Amino acid sequence: EVQLLESGGGLVQPGGSLRLSCVASGFTFSSDAMTWVRQAPGKGLEWVSSISGRGGSTYYADSVRGRFTISRDNSKNTLYLQMNSLRAEDTGVYYCAKRILCDVWGQGTTVTVSS
Amino acid sequence: NFMLTQPHSVSESPGKTVTISCTRSSGNIASNYVQWYQQRPGSAPTTVIYEDNQRPSGVPDRFSGSIDSSSNSASLTISALRTEDEADYFCQSYDVNDHGVFGGGTKLTVL
Repeated sequence: EVQLLESGGGLVQPGGSLRLSCVASGFTFSSDAMTWVRQAPGKGLEWVSSISGRGGSTYYADSVRGRFTISRDNSKNTLYLQMNSLRAEDTGVYYCAKRILCDVWGQGTTVTVSS
Repeated sequence: NFMLTQPHSVSESPGKTVTISCTRSSGNIASNYVQWYQQRPGSAPTTVIYEDNQRPSGVPDRFSGSIDSSSNSASLTISALRTEDEADYFCQSYDVNDHGVFGGGTKLTVL
């Protein structure tokens, strides 16, 4: 069974940093692109970033480019999202998902940016 | 980039059929696959349709997806509605640079 388990969320002050992790199991992790999607409270889904299977290609939404960095460690079946210079509008639930198509989703981890 | 536009809400009675549309603002809807996700309150999204019309294992065949190039839109159709189908539904696609795009979501009420 394919499973994705996010962690690393929490409360952080504006301007602070946080690193999210997503551990994958049940499939050949290095074969698939991976994606981060977020959802602000009471709002819809927003694509944040994607990374190719080997990690050589990365893609970012304009709202996070230059502040967030997506990466992966295929030896650990783990996807990361390093978030710097956090803003209040980055608050929400962050989901990792398999492939650009997001065919499998994790349960999400909550990020709150507030002073 | 393009946008995907969905109706804010739809409602229908149990046992009936409902269709949710997802209209692409520019570029051909058939250029990139469209996915559909169901999200119940307090839960993570789950995929009900991928690659325009494919159902993941475990998703009942009451759920079907299609695309229509004439209206440049995708549709999710749910037949024989059940109260458990009440949820938010989001469409998704991506552009040539593999940037994801989500529709704003449609709240389905089964009353």
